[in-house]
Amino acid sequence: AQRVTQPEKLLSVFKGAPVELKCNYSYSGSPELFWYVQYSRQRLQLLLRHISRESIKGFTADLNKGETSFHLKKPFAQEEDSAMYYCALFLGSSNTGKLIFGQGTTLQVKP
Amino acid sequence: DAMVIQNPRYQVTQFGKPVTLSCSQTLNHNVMYWYQQKSSQAPKLLFHYYDKDFNNEADTPDNFQSRRPNTSFCFLDIRSPGLGDAAMYLCATGRAGAYEQYFGPGTRLTVT
Repeated sequence: AQRVTQPEKLLSVFKGAPVELKCNYSYSGSPELFWYVQYSRQRLQLLLRHISRESIKGFTADLNKGETSFHLKKPFAQEEDSAMYYCALFLGSSNTGKLIFGQGTTLQVKP
Repeated sequence: DAMVIQNPRYQVTQFGKPVTLSCSQTLNHNVMYWYQQKSSQAPKLLFHYYDKDFNNEADTPDNFQSRRPNTSFCFLDIRSPGLGDAAMYLCATGRAGAYEQYFGPGTRLTVT
């Protein structure tokens, strides 16, 4: 079955420390993977997608098909990075497909 | 600003009393989604519309219905809310041919 797993409910780091939010997926096809973020009292929004291979707000994520992982990384955490992060797998066609979300990881960046 | 709007932001209803949640969008997107997010859980898709075509998830209870009268609006109807239906309900939109979804702020439903 298709599944997204985020093993950590809470990740707490100090400002300036490296951050890695883990995401593993289970999918037999070629995955379309995303990271969404929800800052306090704001709506869920797209942070980045694996196909674009871009860096947003200093975050990057590399798809590792061998390990079926899509971990989110940032070399130096900032306090404003504190938020809930969801890894998501898109299933189906872009017209009729859906997102399968992981359970989410709360990132807490301490001063 | 083009966006996804949900009304109301907070809704309280009584056990068994029908309730309707509203979503509107100014993005002119073809696809509109409804997700349910219970406390400390991931958002879970209930159903979505691609234009007027309705796509129901297999495990969405019959108690949940949806209407999309036009491109801009989509409604979630809960015919007989139970205590287990208390959750945050998220509306999202997407463009045909694209994977990104744009979320509204959500409606938090309380069932008393």
